[in-house]
Amino acid sequence: DTGVSQNPRHKITKRGQNVTFRCDPISEHNRLYWYRQTLGQGPEFLTYFQNEAQLEKSRLLSDRFSAERPKGSFSTLEIQRTEQGDSAMYLCASSARTDQTEAFFGQGTRLTVV
Amino acid sequence: RKEVEQDPGPFNVPEGATVAFNCTYSNSASQSFFWYRQDCRKEPKLLMSVYSSGNEDGRFTAQLNRASQYISLLIRDSKLSDSATYLCVVNRLGTGANNLFFGTGTRLTVIP
Repeated sequence: DTGVSQNPRHKITKRGQNVTFRCDPISEHNRLYWYRQTLGQGPEFLTYFQNEAQLEKSRLLSDRFSAERPKGSFSTLEIQRTEQGDSAMYLCASSARTDQTEAFFGQGTRLTVV
Repeated sequence: RKEVEQDPGPFNVPEGATVAFNCTYSNSASQSFFWYRQDCRKEPKLLMSVYSSGNEDGRFTAQLNRASQYISLLIRDSKLSDSATYLCVVNRLGTGANNLFFGTGTRLTVIP
């Protein structure tokens, strides 16, 4: 499968624990996006990478959230000291360099904080 | 004002009906436009791009009005399998900023 891959697909964690999600984009895509989606809402932007550079972070991304893309390939999103409000679907998408092209999404990681 | 606005619906239509969704965007610098489809608890998937001249793909027709900053999606002869949430997405040219903006989605249910 050469699409966007996210792991794990589901994560249940206790409040206060740290979690890390991984995203492997389509190999020739240099742009990578993280979004968060809750029920009944569209995806909300969290952060954006162009190659290894994190070019933008949403104000939704509190100090407890950090994202990396160390070699410009896969990316990780870590949430420290999780809260119940962090429960959501975390979606990763990638797109090619040309600004006109669409983004392709992974299947997401569904996080439940109990 | 939100970057992209959509009527969240829900739209409940009988099989065979024609249904139209609208979307407006606030930034005139927006460059390209898409409709994505999202099934319940699944990831969004590209349905179609929206071109300035309008474009059609089978039962689906997308149109763009740059002057009014308005995008539409028309679905003819609705099928049960069309039931999903339809997300309007705009892509704004920019090398150093997030340039994909999503609407909240319009939920469609096609009823037998």
